[in-house]
Amino acid sequence: NAGVMQNPRHLVRRRGQEARLRCSPMKGHSHVYWYRQLPEEGLKFMVYLQKENIIDESGMPKERFSAEFPKEGPSILRIQQVVRGDSAAYFCASSPQGAGNTEAFFGQGTRLTVV
Amino acid sequence: AQSVAQPEDQVNVAEGNPLTVKCTYSVSGNPYLFWYVQYPNRGLQFLLKYITGDNLVKGSYGFEAEFNKSQTSFHLKKPSALVSDSALYFCAVREGDQAGTALIFGKGTTLSVSS
Repeated sequence: NAGVMQNPRHLVRRRGQEARLRCSPMKGHSHVYWYRQLPEEGLKFMVYLQKENIIDESGMPKERFSAEFPKEGPSILRIQQVVRGDSAAYFCASSPQGAGNTEAFFGQGTRLTVV
Repeated sequence: AQSVAQPEDQVNVAEGNPLTVKCTYSVSGNPYLFWYVQYPNRGLQFLLKYITGDNLVKGSYGFEAEFNKSQTSFHLKKPSALVSDSALYFCAVREGDQAGTALIFGKGTTLSVSS
C-alpha cells in the first residue's frame, strides 16, 4: 500500500507564475489536508478536503490560493501569481475519515522556491 | 478554537538520559492528541496518539506520552535517549467530539541528543 504521494518534490517558479502541487492520498483515504511549513513557524493548517468538497479552508490565504479534490485524480493545491513569500514546504496528509481517532499520514512534501 | 503550544523551541539531552518534550493544548471539548516526528527533508511520521483510556500512551521507537487533563498537557517522554532520536517533534490536537475537524499542530520542538 503506497503512502501519500506528493509531486513534484521540488518546484521552482518565477514571481508571477502559477504553482500546482499534487497529492495522491493513501488507498482508501477520502480525506486530505494541506499544511505549509515555514522556518520558525511550524506547520500551519491550510485546508481540509473530502472528495469534491472543501470542509475547512480557514487557513487558506484569501487570495491566489485554491485547492480541490476531484472525484477522480489527486488533490491539487494551486497558487497563482506566486511571490517570494510563498516559498515554503507544502505537506499533504490523508486519513480514512475526517473525525475521531484516526491519525493522518503525511507525504514527503513539495518544496516550493520562488525566484 | 483548538490550539497547541510547545513552549520549548529546542531540547538538548545527552545520550542515555531521559528526555521530555512538552506540549499543552486547548480545546472546548474532548481532545484527541498526537505526536509526530520529522527528520530533515522528510514528511512527518506518526509516533503515538491519545484518544481515551489509559493516560500513559506507548508509541513507536520507545516513546511514550502522558495525558494530563487537569494540566491540559501531553508531554512526550523516553526513558533513554538515542542520538538517532535527534529530530523535530510536533504535537497535534483534534477536537474529538466534532466531525470534520483537522489536526492542528504546535510549532515544533527540535530535539538534539549528544553522544
